[in-house]
Amino acid sequence: DSGVTQTPKHLITATGQRVTLRCSPRSGDLSVYWYQQSLDQGLQFLIQYYNGEERAKGNILERFSAQQFPDLHSELNLSSLELGDSALYFCASSVEGGAFTDTQYFGPGTRLTVL
Amino acid sequence: ILNVEQSPQSLHVQEGDSTNFTCSFPSSNFYALHWYRWETAKSPEALFVMTLNGDEKKKGRISATLNTKEGYSYLYIKGSQPEDSATYLCASRNTGKLIFGQGTTLQVKP
Repeated sequence: DSGVTQTPKHLITATGQRVTLRCSPRSGDLSVYWYQQSLDQGLQFLIQYYNGEERAKGNILERFSAQQFPDLHSELNLSSLELGDSALYFCASSVEGGAFTDTQYFGPGTRLTVL
Repeated sequence: ILNVEQSPQSLHVQEGDSTNFTCSFPSSNFYALHWYRWETAKSPEALFVMTLNGDEKKKGRISATLNTKEGYSYLYIKGSQPEDSATYLCASRNTGKLIFGQGTTLQVKP
């Protein structure tokens, strides 16, 4: 158990809908990262927040957005969902996020299925 | 664009065999190389973080080496056990981003 929690574990929804994925980092960690794992794709970095501020951005679609709240939990919002958005979404956290040796601890993931 | 490549894509070995796989990354603007183990139905778990050329890390039967000049890292497993079956991911750290390879899936047969 990494100490990172994600809810829900599974989510099934229809095209065009909007969903929110939630992540609580390990106690004491200030950075939260979101990743997408699609079929036949490696882990793709989406976005990083550090202490409430966006720090780094990857290949995140405009239909997706994220935020980190004062209690450091984070939410990833996915809107106008398409079939291709079906994937496993991971959240990870780390103590700082700026140090290159900072280990990221992964949550159990949310499996999103868009029908 | 930073590309991290891993080979082989999959590997099947017998219990007791030693094995190794490769992670290749761009050597320019290198900051750190991370190895993760990802077991089925679980989340990726950190194994090593390596930064210096010539770095060697060891954790039980698993060890890793790093060559930053030529841009590769090897992960070795000595005397593979069925519980070593997992996907092994490497990731190169570039500014705030961890760029992951596709992974090497290891299956150890008893």
